[in-house]
Amino acid sequence: GAGVSQSPRYKVAKRGQDVALRCDPISGHVSLFWYQQALGQGPEFLTYFQNEAQLDKSGLPSDRFFAERPEGSVSTLKIQRTQQEDSAVYLCASSLMRFQPQHFGDGTRLSIL
Amino acid sequence: AQSVTQPDIHITVSEGASLELRCNYSYGATPYLFWYVQSPGQGLQLLLKYFSGDTLVQGIKGFEAEFKRSQSSFNLRKPSVHWSDAAEYFCAVGPHTNAGKSTFGDGTTLTVKP
Repeated sequence: GAGVSQSPRYKVAKRGQDVALRCDPISGHVSLFWYQQALGQGPEFLTYFQNEAQLDKSGLPSDRFFAERPEGSVSTLKIQRTQQEDSAVYLCASSLMRFQPQHFGDGTRLSIL
Repeated sequence: AQSVTQPDIHITVSEGASLELRCNYSYGATPYLFWYVQSPGQGLQLLLKYFSGDTLVQGIKGFEAEFKRSQSSFNLRKPSVHWSDAAEYFCAVGPHTNAGKSTFGDGTTLTVKP
């Protein structure tokens, strides 16, 4: 079956622009996670949804980062007024339930010029 | 707070040799532990997981890992490495009981010599 799909795969933006990254989880997966992966490091947790409810957003680095999942399926991670330090790969993962293993998408590589 | 340490940043082994990747964790309760593999430009693929029960867990691609509570370790092993195993390997603990988040180590890059 289809896995987790992320779009775009690559995004280049100028500093100060707003960007939106999309995640299509596996159908029927209740839990959805966003991670930020800097070059040479492991993924860092950003936020977690259970259905449409955002249960944990403690990893969002600033109020410029915003995530939503309005209908409990597709999720969007939005970054406003991008900064160079936002350059990273953004990974989305979904799981059937909270404590089940996560299935990852291939990520969106964001480069801020 | 939960944390994961992967002491080896880079490991090189010869094809056909055995492999052990180290992982140490810090977690306040019984941990959920995972090993993932990541090839360049791709997302993470789950190799194996430990939730409870038998402390030796088998995964895909011939990998296994052993949970040792006394050592706070969850080392990944493979008896005979193939060239296609060259990738980055991440150990993770979680999700946190209340927060639903996983904590990852910084990864170990595996190079396989012919």
